[in-house]
Amino acid sequence: EVQLVESGGGLVQPGRSLRLSCAASGFTFGDYAMHWVRQAPGKGLEWVSGISWISRTIAYADSVKGRFTISRDDAKNSLYLQMNSLRPEDTALYYCTKLDAAAMREDAFDLWGQGTMVTVSS
Amino acid sequence: QAVLTQPSSLSASPGASASLTCTLRSGINVGTYRIYWYKQKPGSPPQYLLRYNSDSDKQQGSGVPSRFSGSKDASANAGILLISGLQSEDEADYYCMIWHSNTYVFGAGTKVTVL
Repeated sequence: EVQLVESGGGLVQPGRSLRLSCAASGFTFGDYAMHWVRQAPGKGLEWVSGISWISRTIAYADSVKGRFTISRDDAKNSLYLQMNSLRPEDTALYYCTKLDAAAMREDAFDLWGQGTMVTVSS
Repeated sequence: QAVLTQPSSLSASPGASASLTCTLRSGINVGTYRIYWYKQKPGSPPQYLLRYNSDSDKQQGSGVPSRFSGSKDASANAGILLISGLQSEDEADYYCMIWHSNTYVFGAGTKVTVL
């Protein structure tokens, strides 16, 4: 079955760290760029970060640059998001999503996971 | 001013057509962008619907019915998602997206209610 399954979310205090994981199955993971998109409660979608095939290109939204690090392990068909110095405004449902392309370029996010919730609060 | 502006809500009757707009900020020409559309039902992740740039450059998402279609209104500098023959299962939030300044930009979404 073609799917993405996120994990690692939870409740964390401001300033602390959290690492999200995304396990992919049913497609050749290494052939595609992968991204994280988040959705704050009751709000819209916000692109967070992306990584191209073989990690050639990495990009971040300005809101997380310098605090979040995206990575991938193609041998494990997994995508990660290391989140440091978390802020209350990072509270959101974090989706792992596959781009229908290998490179970091415009294209469709054609496969989405169910998301993992991150709550930043003291 | 946001890069993409969508009306917050839209209501229509079953069987009717609904036209959802995605207006690009002044100075960003819709003619040079592919517009992507996503549908999100409550409690579910977004689903890719389609991409539209022109009648010769468009893509329907896998399994997406043909009653979902895209177009552009150059005079309004907007992308349009047309849903024909509205059904109860079309009740959802709809987001447009573009690739702008090397990032992926989403609109704030339109909540469609089928009365």
